[in-house]
Amino acid sequence: ETGVTQTPRHLVMGMTNKKSLKCEQHLGHNAMYWYKQSAKKPLELMFVYSLEERVENNSVPSRFSPECPNSSHLFLHLHTLQPEDSALYLCASSQALTGVGYEQFFGPGTRLTVL
Amino acid sequence: AQSVTQLDSQVPVFEEAPVELRCNYSSSVSVYLFWYVQYPNQGLQLLLKYLSGSTLVKGINGFEAEFNKSQTSFHLRKPSVHISDTAEYFCAVSGVGLEDKIIFGKGTRLHILP
Repeated sequence: ETGVTQTPRHLVMGMTNKKSLKCEQHLGHNAMYWYKQSAKKPLELMFVYSLEERVENNSVPSRFSPECPNSSHLFLHLHTLQPEDSALYLCASSQALTGVGYEQFFGPGTRLTVL
Repeated sequence: AQSVTQLDSQVPVFEEAPVELRCNYSSSVSVYLFWYVQYPNQGLQLLLKYLSGSTLVKGINGFEAEFNKSQTSFHLRKPSVHISDTAEYFCAVSGVGLEDKIIFGKGTRLHILP
């Protein structure tokens, strides 16, 4: 596998379910990101990890819980979600934090539907 | 803090015609600028970026963009589009500080008409 992979690609869950999204990067990068992409809205940065340490949490509700066990893997644990959380969740990685112009490499996303 | 504006949410263009997708940014400091493309059912992919140097930047798939500091713009152009260019295009900006994060615009959907 090359690049950034995400599983599952599609997920349908009820509001009381607990599920996890997985992201894996095969690029040797040190920074990883979770974004939420909703229709007609800009990309929303949710979490940023640098060298497995969370460096940003953009006022994301606690029903979203990230985990970065190592620099290659990133998880987003979901519980008691709301229908408005339905969106495309994108994972990205970069060589380092983007403040020095590093591009981000994106996975294909997980299309989440909350019933 | 930086911000980026893509005024056009959708741009229809006939196949083989030229196209320009507009992007304006605001920032009180130096910036890096990016254009990303998102094809249907895929993640974003970098088209091109401006870090410094020549203001005309060439990217993949025949796209180019010009950094205009006085007009705070970074418009994306292609002289002749193909049906395969149908996608959503995102302009993005980041400051040059180590702690600066990349900010994305709302995107412009490019419709190629046969």
